Amino acid sequence: GENVEQHPSTLSVQEGDSAVIKCTYSDSASNYFPWYKQELGKRPQLIIDIRSNVGEKKDQRIAVTLNKTAKHFSLHITETQPEDSAVYFCAANDGSNYQLIWGAGTKLIIKP
Amino acid sequence: GAVVSQHPSRVICKSGTSVKIECRSLDFQATTMFWYRQFPKQSLMLMATSNEGSKATYEQGVEKDKFLINHASLTLSTLTVTSAHPEDSSFYICSAYAPETQYFGPGTRLLVL
Repeated sequence: GENVEQHPSTLSVQEGDSAVIKCTYSDSASNYFPWYKQELGKRPQLIIDIRSNVGEKKDQRIAVTLNKTAKHFSLHITETQPEDSAVYFCAANDGSNYQLIWGAGTKLIIKP
Repeated sequence: GAVVSQHPSRVICKSGTSVKIECRSLDFQATTMFWYRQFPKQSLMLMATSNEGSKATYEQGVEKDKFLINHASLTLSTLTVTSAHPEDSSFYICSAYAPETQYFGPGTRLLVL
């Protein structure tokens, strides 16, 4: 089955700098890769997703890149702001059903 | 985006009692819903997949007799924690599947005394 690894577990960046979180997956049948943001005590919120037929997707300060050959995808946040502080989860769909296989999460800390 | 509600948001109960948690998709129909458990500072742990009109599929290690799941309609799934014990205290979150992603409820924080 699918396995998703996420790095780093904690990332601390200066406000205004960029942040990059990386994930790798194992199942070549996976074709959908969402990213969720979870603030403390709240629900995970979908922030961006990418399908395997594209290599990059951007939404304002957030972008996701996908390398199908290497089986890895990354979240890029530019011009980070204090409200970007949260835990970010990557996921990949299980090609055989509707499940999402989750990364372990990255705690992003934006230093003022 | 799709809206999922979950009730109650917080519950405190005595050991040995049962607790029911409801998950509703408010503006779309969801034939598939998921129940997760999340421990502090950890990722989402899938407990079971709930399919409308059929039995839930439980992940390995999850006791189906303890965590009863009913998905009676296209907008409602319920999770009942039976004979709850302190070790069942956790944050339970549901999600509803809408092609191709999942939308999450706000979660239920369960504390068993």
